[in-house]
Amino acid sequence: GENVGLHLPTLSVQEGDNSIINCAYSNSASDYFIWYKQESGKGPQFIIDIRSNMDKRQGQRVTVLLNKTVKHLSLQIAATQPGDSAVYFCAERRGQFGGGSNYKLTFGKGTLLTVNP
Amino acid sequence: DGGITQSPKYLFRKEGQNVTLSCEQNLNHDAMYWYRQDPGQGLRLIYYSQIVNDFQKGDIAEGYSVSREKKESFPLTVTSAQKNPTAFYLCASSATGIGYTFGSGTRLTVV
Repeated sequence: GENVGLHLPTLSVQEGDNSIINCAYSNSASDYFIWYKQESGKGPQFIIDIRSNMDKRQGQRVTVLLNKTVKHLSLQIAATQPGDSAVYFCAERRGQFGGGSNYKLTFGKGTLLTVNP
Repeated sequence: DGGITQSPKYLFRKEGQNVTLSCEQNLNHDAMYWYRQDPGQGLRLIYYSQIVNDFQKGDIAEGYSVSREKKESFPLTVTSAQKNPTAFYLCASSATGIGYTFGSGTRLTVV
Protein backbone atom coordinates (compact mmCIF):
# COMPACT_ATOMS: atom_id res chain seq x y z
CA GLY A 1 0.00 0.00 0.00
CA GLU A 2 0.98 3.61 -0.17
CA ASN A 3 2.82 5.00 2.80
CA VAL A 4 5.36 7.44 3.95
CA GLY A 5 8.22 5.71 5.70
CA LEU A 6 11.67 6.28 7.03
CA HIS A 7 14.87 4.41 6.28
CA LEU A 8 16.34 4.81 9.77
CA PRO A 9 14.23 4.68 12.90
CA THR A 10 17.08 6.00 15.08
CA LEU A 11 20.05 8.23 14.44
CA SER A 12 22.78 9.11 16.91
CA VAL A 13 25.25 11.90 16.13
CA GLN A 14 27.92 13.90 17.89
CA GLU A 15 27.28 17.52 18.72
CA GLY A 16 28.53 19.71 15.89
CA ASP A 17 28.18 17.03 13.23
CA ASN A 18 25.69 17.27 10.41
CA SER A 19 22.62 15.03 10.53
CA ILE A 20 20.70 13.54 7.64
CA ILE A 21 17.26 12.06 8.14
CA ASN A 22 15.67 10.21 5.24
CA CYS A 23 12.12 9.55 4.16
CA ALA A 24 10.68 7.50 1.32
CA TYR A 25 7.29 8.13 -0.15
CA SER A 26 5.37 6.00 -2.60
CA ASN A 27 2.74 8.28 -4.09
CA SER A 28 4.13 10.06 -7.11
CA ALA A 29 1.09 12.36 -7.06
CA SER A 30 2.10 13.90 -3.73
CA ASP A 31 2.78 17.56 -4.31
CA TYR A 32 3.82 18.93 -0.95
CA PHE A 33 6.05 17.67 1.83
CA ILE A 34 6.68 18.84 5.36
CA TRP A 35 9.18 17.99 8.07
CA TYR A 36 8.09 18.18 11.69
CA LYS A 37 10.09 17.97 14.91
CA GLN A 38 8.54 16.43 17.99
CA GLU A 39 10.17 16.66 21.38
CA SER A 40 9.23 14.22 24.09
CA GLY A 41 5.74 14.83 25.44
CA LYS A 42 5.04 17.70 23.06
CA GLY A 43 3.20 18.22 19.81
CA PRO A 44 5.00 18.26 16.45
CA GLN A 45 6.46 21.56 15.32
CA PHE A 46 6.81 22.64 11.72
CA ILE A 47 10.43 22.78 10.54
CA ILE A 48 10.44 23.22 6.80
CA ASP A 49 8.36 22.39 3.78
CA ILE A 50 8.94 21.85 0.07
CA ARG A 51 6.70 21.68 -2.96
CA SER A 52 7.12 19.09 -5.65
CA ASN A 53 8.26 21.67 -8.20
CA MET A 54 11.42 22.22 -6.15
CA ASP A 55 14.32 19.92 -5.36
CA LYS A 56 15.93 21.85 -2.55
CA ARG A 57 14.91 24.34 0.08
CA GLN A 58 16.99 25.86 2.84
CA GLY A 59 16.10 27.24 6.21
CA GLN A 60 18.11 28.17 9.23
CA ARG A 61 20.54 25.25 9.72
CA VAL A 62 18.13 22.94 7.90
CA THR A 63 17.89 21.89 4.28
CA VAL A 64 15.28 19.67 2.68
CA LEU A 65 16.10 17.78 -0.50
CA LEU A 66 13.49 16.18 -2.71
CA ASN A 67 14.31 13.56 -5.31
CA LYS A 68 11.13 12.82 -7.22
CA THR A 69 12.82 10.26 -9.43
CA VAL A 70 13.31 7.88 -6.53
CA LYS A 71 10.58 9.35 -4.32
CA HIS A 72 12.97 10.31 -1.59
CA LEU A 73 13.00 13.19 0.85
CA SER A 74 15.75 14.11 3.26
CA LEU A 75 16.27 16.60 6.05
CA GLN A 76 19.76 17.85 6.69
CA ILE A 77 20.59 19.58 9.95
CA ALA A 78 23.86 21.44 10.05
CA ALA A 79 26.01 21.63 13.19
CA THR A 80 23.61 19.50 15.19
CA GLN A 81 23.01 20.68 18.74
CA PRO A 82 21.68 18.87 21.83
CA GLY A 83 18.43 20.83 21.42
CA ASP A 84 17.91 19.10 18.10
CA SER A 85 17.34 15.79 19.87
CA ALA A 86 13.78 14.79 19.01
CA VAL A 87 11.68 12.64 16.72
CA TYR A 88 11.49 13.94 13.18
CA PHE A 89 8.50 13.17 10.95
CA CYS A 90 8.04 13.66 7.30
CA ALA A 91 4.54 14.19 5.95
CA GLU A 92 3.19 14.21 2.44
CA ARG A 93 0.12 15.78 0.95
CA ARG A 94 -1.64 13.30 -1.21
CA GLY A 95 -4.88 15.03 -1.99
CA GLN A 96 -7.78 16.92 -0.59
CA PHE A 97 -10.56 15.87 1.68
CA GLY A 98 -13.64 15.49 -0.46
CA GLY A 99 -12.45 18.05 -2.96
CA GLY A 100 -12.39 20.85 -0.42
CA SER A 101 -9.76 23.51 -0.16
CA ASN A 102 -7.98 21.93 2.76
CA TYR A 103 -5.78 18.92 2.48
CA LYS A 104 -4.83 15.70 4.12
CA LEU A 105 -1.35 14.96 5.40
CA THR A 106 -0.04 11.45 5.82
CA PHE A 107 2.77 11.02 8.32
CA GLY A 108 5.71 8.68 8.53
CA LYS A 109 6.56 6.88 11.76
CA GLY A 110 9.44 9.18 12.61
CA THR A 111 13.17 9.00 13.24
CA LEU A 112 14.57 9.52 16.72
CA LEU A 113 17.60 11.79 16.57
CA THR A 114 19.92 11.71 19.56
CA VAL A 115 22.71 14.25 19.82
CA ASN A 116 25.64 13.25 22.01
CA PRO A 117 27.58 16.07 23.70
CA ASP B 1 -0.28 35.06 20.33
CA GLY B 2 -2.30 32.73 18.12
CA GLY B 3 -2.14 29.04 18.81
CA ILE B 4 -3.88 25.80 19.50
CA THR B 5 -4.52 24.63 23.05
CA GLN B 6 -5.23 21.13 24.24
CA SER B 7 -6.40 20.24 27.71
CA PRO B 8 -5.86 18.51 29.95
CA LYS B 9 -2.23 17.52 29.45
CA TYR B 10 -2.79 14.25 31.32
CA LEU B 11 -6.06 12.37 31.67
CA PHE B 12 -6.93 9.14 33.40
CA ARG B 13 -9.94 7.07 32.50
CA LYS B 14 -11.55 4.23 34.32
CA GLU B 15 -12.90 1.26 32.46
CA GLY B 16 -16.34 2.00 30.98
CA GLN B 17 -16.03 5.77 31.24
CA ASN B 18 -16.36 8.35 28.52
CA VAL B 19 -13.85 11.18 28.61
CA THR B 20 -13.63 14.36 26.56
CA LEU B 21 -10.43 15.98 25.34
CA SER B 22 -10.53 19.69 24.63
CA CYS B 23 -9.00 21.44 21.62
CA GLU B 24 -9.26 25.19 21.05
CA GLN B 25 -7.60 27.34 18.39
CA ASN B 26 -7.51 31.09 17.83
CA LEU B 27 -5.78 30.93 14.45
CA ASN B 28 -9.01 31.36 12.50
CA HIS B 29 -8.33 28.05 10.78
CA ASP B 30 -11.24 26.32 9.09
CA ALA B 31 -9.97 22.76 9.35
CA MET B 32 -9.28 20.84 12.53
CA TYR B 33 -8.01 17.30 13.09
CA TRP B 34 -7.57 14.69 15.78
CA TYR B 35 -4.70 12.21 15.65
CA ARG B 36 -3.72 9.35 17.85
CA GLN B 37 -0.06 8.54 18.45
CA ASP B 38 1.17 5.25 19.87
CA PRO B 39 4.81 4.38 20.65
CA GLY B 40 6.70 3.54 17.49
CA GLN B 41 3.71 4.44 15.33
CA GLY B 42 3.00 7.31 13.03
CA LEU B 43 0.12 9.68 13.54
CA ARG B 44 -3.23 8.08 12.77
CA LEU B 45 -6.20 10.21 11.86
CA ILE B 46 -9.29 9.80 14.05
CA TYR B 47 -11.64 12.56 12.85
CA TYR B 48 -11.38 15.76 10.90
CA SER B 49 -13.55 18.77 10.28
CA GLN B 50 -13.27 21.18 7.37
CA ILE B 51 -15.96 23.56 8.50
CA VAL B 52 -18.26 24.29 11.41
CA ASN B 53 -21.04 21.74 11.93
CA ASP B 54 -19.36 19.24 9.66
CA PHE B 55 -16.91 16.46 10.43
CA GLN B 56 -15.77 13.21 8.87
CA LYS B 57 -14.32 9.93 10.10
CA GLY B 58 -10.66 9.32 9.66
CA ASP B 59 -8.85 6.01 9.58
CA ILE B 60 -9.54 4.91 13.17
CA ALA B 61 -12.81 6.57 14.20
CA GLU B 62 -14.37 3.60 15.99
CA GLY B 63 -14.90 4.32 19.69
CA TYR B 64 -14.52 8.08 19.26
CA SER B 65 -16.90 10.96 18.67
CA VAL B 66 -16.48 14.66 17.94
CA SER B 67 -18.46 17.85 17.54
CA ARG B 68 -17.75 21.12 15.77
CA GLU B 69 -20.25 23.66 17.01
CA LYS B 70 -17.77 26.54 16.88
CA LYS B 71 -14.92 27.30 14.53
CA GLU B 72 -12.52 27.54 17.44
CA SER B 73 -13.37 24.28 19.16
CA PHE B 74 -13.17 20.60 18.21
CA PRO B 75 -13.58 18.37 21.29
CA LEU B 76 -12.93 14.64 21.10
CA THR B 77 -14.82 12.14 23.23
CA VAL B 78 -13.23 8.79 23.86
CA THR B 79 -16.12 6.44 24.55
CA SER B 80 -16.23 3.17 26.45
CA ALA B 81 -16.43 1.46 23.05
CA GLN B 82 -12.77 2.31 22.46
CA LYS B 83 -11.10 -0.80 23.85
CA ASN B 84 -7.53 0.44 23.81
CA PRO B 85 -7.66 4.17 24.50
CA THR B 86 -4.28 4.61 26.16
CA ALA B 87 -2.33 6.85 23.80
CA PHE B 88 -1.10 10.36 23.11
CA TYR B 89 -3.77 12.44 21.37
CA LEU B 90 -2.88 15.34 19.14
CA CYS B 91 -5.16 18.03 17.79
CA ALA B 92 -4.19 20.11 14.78
CA SER B 93 -5.64 22.87 12.66
CA SER B 94 -4.91 24.21 9.21
CA ALA B 95 -5.81 26.89 6.74
CA THR B 96 -5.71 26.47 3.00
CA GLY B 97 -2.30 25.75 1.55
CA ILE B 98 -0.20 25.69 4.70
CA GLY B 99 0.95 23.04 7.11
CA TYR B 100 -0.81 21.87 10.20
CA THR B 101 -0.34 23.59 13.55
CA PHE B 102 -0.40 21.09 16.37
CA GLY B 103 -1.40 21.37 19.99
CA SER B 104 0.82 20.08 22.77
CA GLY B 105 -1.15 16.86 23.17
CA THR B 106 -3.12 15.00 25.81
CA ARG B 107 -1.82 11.77 27.27
CA LEU B 108 -4.73 9.49 28.11
CA THR B 109 -4.22 6.50 30.39
CA VAL B 110 -6.72 3.83 31.36
CA VAL B 111 -6.57 2.94 35.05
